[in-house]
Amino acid sequence: NAGVTQTPKFQVLKTGQSMTLQCAQDMNHEYMSWYRQDPGMGLRLIHYSVGAGITDQGEVPNGYNVSRSTTEDFPLRLLSAAPSQTSVYFCASRTGNQPQHFGDGTRLSIL
Amino acid sequence: EDKVVQSPLSLVVHEGDTVTLNCSYEVTNFRSLLWYKQEKKAPTFLFMLTSSGIEKKSGRLSSILDKKELFSILNITATQTGDSAVYLCAVNSGGSNYKLTFGKGTLLTVNP
Repeated sequence: NAGVTQTPKFQVLKTGQSMTLQCAQDMNHEYMSWYRQDPGMGLRLIHYSVGAGITDQGEVPNGYNVSRSTTEDFPLRLLSAAPSQTSVYFCASRTGNQPQHFGDGTRLSIL
Repeated sequence: EDKVVQSPLSLVVHEGDTVTLNCSYEVTNFRSLLWYKQEKKAPTFLFMLTSSGIEKKSGRLSSILDKKELFSILNITATQTGDSAVYLCAVNSGGSNYKLTFGKGTLLTVNP
């Protein structure tokens, strides 16, 4: 099992560009989440999903969209990148009341 | 608004020292408290605590939860340089919607 796989690992964008961060898990977990991690801020929840076809907003959802068409995939879309979205992004998945498994992260820089 | 506060924010010790990391919380509908270790990449799971007073132990690491006083501690004995990492505390307060609120983390540096 690969666990939680995030791509790309690094990305540099210009302000106003759009892109999709990919997240896939092969553990058949029903719950998936996206977090951003900024220095001194800990991990903050962007969006999450409790199953295919169901998504909801977290603490910092503005500027991001998500969809969950399959159990395995949970992409995060930046519609119009802004410098404030420079961060490290983590995808996580879990099942039931078990702890979350995290991907290795995507380091995103917006110029 | 749910809050998780970790202290200290950073700590430098020598190999062999014992350290105690603190996590206090104010959340609605508490379900569990989790500790993670983060080195260069993804946070890795250490402990999940749901009941007060029951110590969880793994090697040199142990943790305990006090649901009355709303805090948890993570102890590391006989520290090694490989223990250097950011330690994250998170609280699950989701109800039917799982919600994990993280503290800012404690940066532990263990010097040889």
